[in-house]
Amino acid sequence: DAKTTQPPSMDCAEGRAANLPCNHSTISGNEYVYWYRQIHSQGPQYIIHGLKNNETNEMASLIITEDRKSSTLILPHATLRDTAVYYCIVRASSNTGKLIFGQGTTLQVKP
Amino acid sequence: NAGVTQTPKFQVLKTGQSMTLQCAQDMNHEYMSWYRQDPGMGLRLIHYSVGAGITDQGEVPNGYNVSRSTTEDFPLRLLSAAPSQTSVYFCASSWSANEKLFFGSGTQLSVL
Repeated sequence: DAKTTQPPSMDCAEGRAANLPCNHSTISGNEYVYWYRQIHSQGPQYIIHGLKNNETNEMASLIITEDRKSSTLILPHATLRDTAVYYCIVRASSNTGKLIFGQGTTLQVKP
Repeated sequence: NAGVTQTPKFQVLKTGQSMTLQCAQDMNHEYMSWYRQDPGMGLRLIHYSVGAGITDQGEVPNGYNVSRSTTEDFPLRLLSAAPSQTSVYFCASSWSANEKLFFGSGTQLSVL
């Protein structure tokens, strides 16, 4: 699975959009980009995933560059409850289901 | 739906003791897995199961046993606890190995 690079921390004002970047320059054609978050030692929570098209759901939007070497997770209106560690994970289809969690980005949403 | 339920939430063991961490899901998921989370290490896969009666090793399986006698349950057994097994343990499940994972709330284990 390709390695990802994320900034260790970011701040965002409450009510503003939070844009979390992720670099995955060695991604392969069959690898998906997944985003999970972990709020204060709770279990990780799935947010969104995509292959090459942009994706949107009730939680967030995922923008993947055309060359697929980077992506951005967008939380359109961040709230204090969005303060968490956000993990960008690149994953190919496999039998193990293994996710490789890096260090992630700690997003602090401030009032 | 309760989702993925883990018990206990906290546990303190002495070196050499054995115990079982329980994990149950009510979503009829075929795939279940166990991760451990250590500071600075991220989450690492211990064992996984793609269906009842089928289990396999993940990245860090030593010191742990699993079984999957039903679709709902996937217990993790520590046969002889060691201080190196002090960690937070998360159970997760999904419809298949390539679907999004649903995680439990975790078990914080300390081995003295």
